[in-house]
Amino acid sequence: EDKVVQSPLSLVVHEGDTVTLNCSYEVTNFRSLLWYKQEKKAPTFLFMLTSSGIEKKSGRLSSILDKKELSSILNITATQTGDSAIYLCAVVGGTSYGKLTFGQGTILTVHP
Amino acid sequence: NAGVTQTPKFRVLKTGQSMTLLCAQDMNHEYMYWYRQDPGMGLRLIHYSVGEGTTAKGEVPDGYNVSRLKKQNFLLGLESAAPSQTSVYFCASRSGGSYNEQFFGPGTRLTVL
Repeated sequence: EDKVVQSPLSLVVHEGDTVTLNCSYEVTNFRSLLWYKQEKKAPTFLFMLTSSGIEKKSGRLSSILDKKELSSILNITATQTGDSAIYLCAVVGGTSYGKLTFGQGTILTVHP
Repeated sequence: NAGVTQTPKFRVLKTGQSMTLLCAQDMNHEYMYWYRQDPGMGLRLIHYSVGEGTTAKGEVPDGYNVSRLKKQNFLLGLESAAPSQTSVYFCASRSGGSYNEQFFGPGTRLTVL
């Protein structure tokens, strides 16, 4: 059974701080790892990491996949109050028809 | 282009009542999924479909049924609601291929009393 564990479960920082969110996984026939941001409603897609694309960056957000350690990190630099959200990590295994197995999520709160 | 929509947005049921949640997507996606989200547990897959007329069980299928009669719609049914089914339900869809992200609907908040 595929498994995803995120840490920390919650994090409180001040604007301008840099944060690192962690995701570790166990999956059969790993295909991809995805990061989503969830504010009040639906999760919105941030990044997808695969064996051929282990590092992604968009603005202040970046993510790296470590296939050896079976983990990924999501970095957010110069945090803003608008970064406050739940960050979800999910993996896709090779036999799962693209099903996502999610971690518990990290609740990030950024204070002014 | 509305993306993924869900109906209704909120619902309160009494134990034993039944209801159907509707998910619709206008992106011509092959794959559709139903998840539930409970505090501290992330999203868990209930059922999914890899194409019109097909359905399969996910991680937590008990107490739910689904149907995919049309490619654009995926229905989730609760035949006899229980308080343990109080949750937020999300529908998602994606196109074919191995490395495509899922697009999520806005969710339905269901309370079973």
